[in-house]
Amino acid sequence: DGGITQSPKYLFRKEGQNVTLSCEQNLNHDAMYWYRQDPGQGLRLIYYSQIVNDFQKGDIAEGYSVSREKKESFPLTVTSAQKNPTAFYLCASSLGAQETQYFGPGTRLLVL
Amino acid sequence: GEDVEQSLFLSVREGDSSVINCTYTDSSSTYLYWYKQEPGAGLQLLTYIFSNMDMKQDQRLTVLLNKKDKHLSLRIADTQTGDSAIYFCARGARGNTPLVFGKGTRLSVIA
Repeated sequence: DGGITQSPKYLFRKEGQNVTLSCEQNLNHDAMYWYRQDPGQGLRLIYYSQIVNDFQKGDIAEGYSVSREKKESFPLTVTSAQKNPTAFYLCASSLGAQETQYFGPGTRLLVL
Repeated sequence: GEDVEQSLFLSVREGDSSVINCTYTDSSSTYLYWYKQEPGAGLQLLTYIFSNMDMKQDQRLTVLLNKKDKHLSLRIADTQTGDSAIYFCARGARGNTPLVFGKGTRLSVIA
């Protein structure tokens, strides 16, 4: 059963804490993406990766970091430098950069 | 202005047709997409159209593309309460860069 999984569904962050959001795909896609969604703002691209061990900044990369050590996995770390992290985070993947993107179910991050 | 623009809200009565509109600025896109997002969920691919097509129909969904005006629309026939969601338009970008999304249109269906 192919698809994209994100965990956890809900995540709580304390002040000054780094947290990591998981994204895994078994679609054999080369490209993976992280988006942030705030109410009324649509999707904003944080980072994307077109191949293992390589990634590029999107429109709002400050305060976030990623790694792409395996084709299947693209974890996103929300660092303490991100002062307003409360949002819905969506991961997606595609065969190639301009190809159709398929989305995971999302992780909602809340600040305690 | 924004690269891909959509109106933010649309309200229709159950059983009527819904038409969601999208305009874009870059005419080099190969594919244009419509995604649906239900509350608290990820985006689900609804349909897409290749840039050399004018129309694509898939059951209750009709996509119209006017390349001259850079205008894309999604018509949902016989709209049901289950169609209430946010609908995103997206286009392919130049070179090897990701899709560009609009901000989404929130469709509310009134019973």
